[in-house]
Amino acid sequence: GENVEQHPSTLSVQEGDSAVIKCTYSDSASNYFPWYKQELGKRPQLIIDIRSNVGEKKDQRIAVTLNKTAKHFSLHITETQPEDSAVYFCAAVPGGGADGLTFGKGTHLIIQP
Amino acid sequence: DTAVSQTPKYLVTQMGNDKSIKCEQNLGHDTMYWYKQDSKKFLKIMFSYNNKELIINETVPNRFSPKSPDKAHLNLHINSLELGDSAVYFCASSQGLAGTYAYFGPGTRLTVT
Repeated sequence: GENVEQHPSTLSVQEGDSAVIKCTYSDSASNYFPWYKQELGKRPQLIIDIRSNVGEKKDQRIAVTLNKTAKHFSLHITETQPEDSAVYFCAAVPGGGADGLTFGKGTHLIIQP
Repeated sequence: DTAVSQTPKYLVTQMGNDKSIKCEQNLGHDTMYWYKQDSKKFLKIMFSYNNKELIINETVPNRFSPKSPDKAHLNLHINSLELGDSAVYFCASSQGLAGTYAYFGPGTRLTVT
């Protein structure tokens, strides 16, 4: 089955700086890669996603890049703000999709004021 | 208007009991899921259910059984609860089997004593 590795497990950055979270996946047939943000005690919420036929996608301060050859994808957050503090999960949908989302282990992003 | 709802929000019970968690979605999605988030925040798929087709993660004990009375509901029944079942259980839904744009419910925190 699919295996998703996520790094780092904790990331602390100064407010206003950029943050980068990296993930790798194992199933070359995976074709959809979402990122979820989970605030303490809340549900995971989809913040951005990318499909395998696209190399980069941007939405305001967040962007995701995908390298299919290397089987890795990354989340970039620029001009970080206190409300960006949360746990971020990357995920992949294996080929066929019927197995649901396979998640990475999460990155706790801490924005220092 | 809540897209994916779960009841109860908190569930405290003793070992050996049987309990159920209910999930409803009003997004018109045709695929629903149950995910388990353990104390280390790891999110893992338990089941996906689409048009009466049930796909089970092979690591899920058969004490767990999903039941879907219709396309908008997917309930989770757990028999003979064990201490290790303590976790947050999230229901989610998406359109189609590809898992895209999966929307999560608020979660049910299950504590087994």
